[in-house]
Amino acid sequence: EVQLVESGGGLVKPGGSLRLSCAASGFTFSSYSMNWVRQAPGKGLEWVSSISSSSSYIYYADSVKGRFTISRDNAKNSLYLQMNSLRAEDTAVYYCARDFWSPHTATYYFDYWGQGTLVTVSS
Amino acid sequence: SSELTQDPAVSVALGQTVRITCQGDSLRSYYASWYQQKPGQAPVLVIYGKNNRPSGIPDRFSGSSSGNTASLTITGAQAEDEADYYCNSRDSSGNLYVVFGGGTKLTVL
Repeated sequence: EVQLVESGGGLVKPGGSLRLSCAASGFTFSSYSMNWVRQAPGKGLEWVSSISSSSSYIYYADSVKGRFTISRDNAKNSLYLQMNSLRAEDTAVYYCARDFWSPHTATYYFDYWGQGTLVTVSS
Repeated sequence: SSELTQDPAVSVALGQTVRITCQGDSLRSYYASWYQQKPGQAPVLVIYGKNNRPSGIPDRFSGSSSGNTASLTITGAQAEDEADYYCNSRDSSGNLYVVFGGGTKLTVL
């Protein structure tokens, strides 16, 4: 059974830092691209960042570029999000999600999601 | 703002058919995927690709696409289908890697 378990959320002051982790199990972690997706309270889903299976390709949303860093440790089956210079607007539940991408069939989707970890940025 | 556009809210009578739409230029190049999210829960994939359902998703859920519009259809809506629904695809504009629609709140009357 595929499982994604996020941790590391909490309350942090504006300008502070936080590191989120996502522990993966039930599949060959090193074979899949992984993502962080967030959801502000009462709002919709927002893609944050993606990292390819070998960390060769990394992408960020403009809203977090230069402040957040995605990384992974395939030996530990873990995904990370280092969040610096946090702002009130970064307050959200952060989900770890596995993706599938097939350019041949023009198909992209997130097939497994964690339960999320809440990050609150407030003084 | 989302580069995929969804109606904020849609309602359907119990047992009737409802279509939720998603519009965007990216959908001319990529299929949309669809997610169901109930309060306090993580999103769940319900449709992906041309019209594929993950294991465990009832066959009353189906997907279609035409031009820049993707649709999620629920045929014979049930009370448990009341939820938020989001579409998503790769971005074709080069500005983003992945885009989500703003979400549609489905109410089953």
